[in-house]
Amino acid sequence: DAGVIQSPRHEVTEMGQEVTLRCKPISGHNSLFWYRQTMMRGLELLIYFNNNVPIDDSGMPEDRFSAKMPNASFSTLKIQPSEPRDSAVYFCASSLTSYNEQFFGPGTRLTVL
Amino acid sequence: AQSVTQPDIHITVSEGASLELRCNYSYGATPYLFWYVQSPGQGLQLLLKYFSGDTLVQGIKGFEAEFKRSQSSFNLRKPSVHWSDAAEYFCAVGARGDYKLSFGAGTTVTVRA
Repeated sequence: DAGVIQSPRHEVTEMGQEVTLRCKPISGHNSLFWYRQTMMRGLELLIYFNNNVPIDDSGMPEDRFSAKMPNASFSTLKIQPSEPRDSAVYFCASSLTSYNEQFFGPGTRLTVL
Repeated sequence: AQSVTQPDIHITVSEGASLELRCNYSYGATPYLFWYVQSPGQGLQLLLKYFSGDTLVQGIKGFEAEFKRSQSSFNLRKPSVHWSDAAEYFCAVGARGDYKLSFGAGTTVTVRA
């Protein structure tokens, strides 16, 4: 199995630009999670999808952040407009069901200048 | 809500020596417990998990962990560390019927020759 795939691995952009992060979960997994990791706040859950439906987006920091899952094999996290404080590593994770172990992708390191 | 404490921010250990990483959790019922490892620039990899049953669980890369309900702990151990074990280790706790994982702040392990 290829594992969770994320792209791009690194993204450098300027403040105000739109950023789109992509994720392909493990085939057959029905739960998908987006996390943000920073030194100050550690790992934070941003949003959780179950069967492509957003169930919990309470961790999305503000309206500049949005996430979609148009089908079982693809999800995006969009930041528009981006700000320097959004600089972090963003992880996508998937699990077989909501209550199983989560498998993480390699992450996208975002730098907003 | 569940929470996780990893008391040690940083541990240095000699190659070939034993390693123990501490994890304490707070949760009223029987938790789901996980240990993940993150190498520099990589995503989180699952080392082992505890859902129920035998309180001593074996994981990948020679790691094991023991669930002690009386101490609310789930410490990770390895009898002989290798230089490749240098990484950051995260303990996580989940609850039955809940998709959320609470992660500890992580313990960074440095292995000296």
